[in-house]
Order: sequence, then structure tokens, then C-alpha cells
Amino acid sequence: ETGVTQTPRHLVMGMTNKKSLKCEQHLGHNAMYWYKQSAKKPLELMFVYNFKEQTENNSVPSRFSPECPNSSHLFLHLHTLQPEDSALYLCASSQGARETQYFGPGTRLLVL
Amino acid sequence: QKEVEQNSGPLSVPEGAIASLNCTYSDRGSQSFFWYRQYSGKSPELIMSIYSNGDKEDGRFTAQLNKASQYVSLLIRDSQPSDSATYLCAVTGPIKAAGNKLTFGGGTRVLVKP
Repeated sequence: ETGVTQTPRHLVMGMTNKKSLKCEQHLGHNAMYWYKQSAKKPLELMFVYNFKEQTENNSVPSRFSPECPNSSHLFLHLHTLQPEDSALYLCASSQGARETQYFGPGTRLLVL
Repeated sequence: QKEVEQNSGPLSVPEGAIASLNCTYSDRGSQSFFWYRQYSGKSPELIMSIYSNGDKEDGRFTAQLNKASQYVSLLIRDSQPSDSATYLCAVTGPIKAAGNKLTFGGGTRVLVKP
């Protein structure tokens, strides 16, 4: 599926680093999402953006900061992360309510 | 109580047999139901979506929804080794205009043995 792309695909960072994850969707969708997938845990919704406006923040720590400059791009800025933040971070997009969400390939993050 | 529950498995199925996966959800107002397949190390990919009570068939896959009993199931006919993956059930809440909060179950791992 090349409709949703994510970069980088792999990231190793120290706890004092600042990095950003990027997501781009080429499907003309209006909503974009960030999910976290840790080992042996269900997919956890982090943030929802609809028409560039944040509509959901699922009690995510402030060390994760999302940015949505337009309906096609979504960023997740990372700073002062903890080792327990190591996970697969997935971006998804959908046309709107009730519509199917399509996932990007994910960024595998390791925090040392 | 978990919002979306699945048996974690693994569900071991002989090649050519039918794999039956179940999912229950707690929010009676849920509107949309999805099955995703996720191979190890990969992102989820959509298999089926279902919105109304009853069965929906797509190739070897059949999704069944029973809103009164709050469960949704997935049948995989003629299972192939390539069907070995984790299957995620996902459910949305009541309709709202601003995006679509999708709640995932923990997934059922399926192993199809040749």
C-alpha cells in the first residue's frame, strides 16, 4: 500500500534527542491518525486530525507533539522520550467518519 | 472490561480448513466494524468492513455481524499458509463528524499448517 507513506522506517534515539516522524497520504483523505503499537498490546490511538484540526488526544504525554500543516501531512515530534516509548508508530488516514482507515508502513522506534 | 475483545490464540488451522475468529465489543452504539490482517513486522491491512447485521462475503473471507449480541466474526475458507498472521478486529463508536475513533482488539494469531 503506497497511499500512506511514513519516514523514517526505523529510528534509534537517545532519551535527550529530538526527532520527528513524518506521514504523508496520497489518497485525498480528510482525517489522519497516529497510533502506537507496543509488543503484546493492542493498537493504541494517540491523536486524530480532521481537516487539519486535532479532534482527539488520547491522554498522550506531552513529550509527543503532533503537527498537521495540511490534510495530506502529519508529523509527530518527539523529545525527551523514555525507553518504554519504544514501539511501532503507525499513521493512518480516512475519508471521514465510518470510513475505512488505511495504514502506512510504520516507523519502528527504539529509545535507548 | 476491554472495549474490544479477541482470543489471542494462536489458532492453529490445517491448510484447506476453515478458520473462525470471533470478536466482542462493549459499546452498544458502535457503528462500523473492520477486520485487519497484520503480518509480523508489518502494518495492518484491511480485509473486510461490515456495517449491517448479517453476513458479508469477499472471496474466501466472510464477516458476520450481530449487533444484538455485540459480536463480529471472520471466517477464512480454504485457509492457506499465507493466511498465517494476526487478525485485528476494530470497532468505531457512534457516528461523529470529526474523524473516526477506531478501537482495536488485541488480535488473534492464526497459524495455517501445511
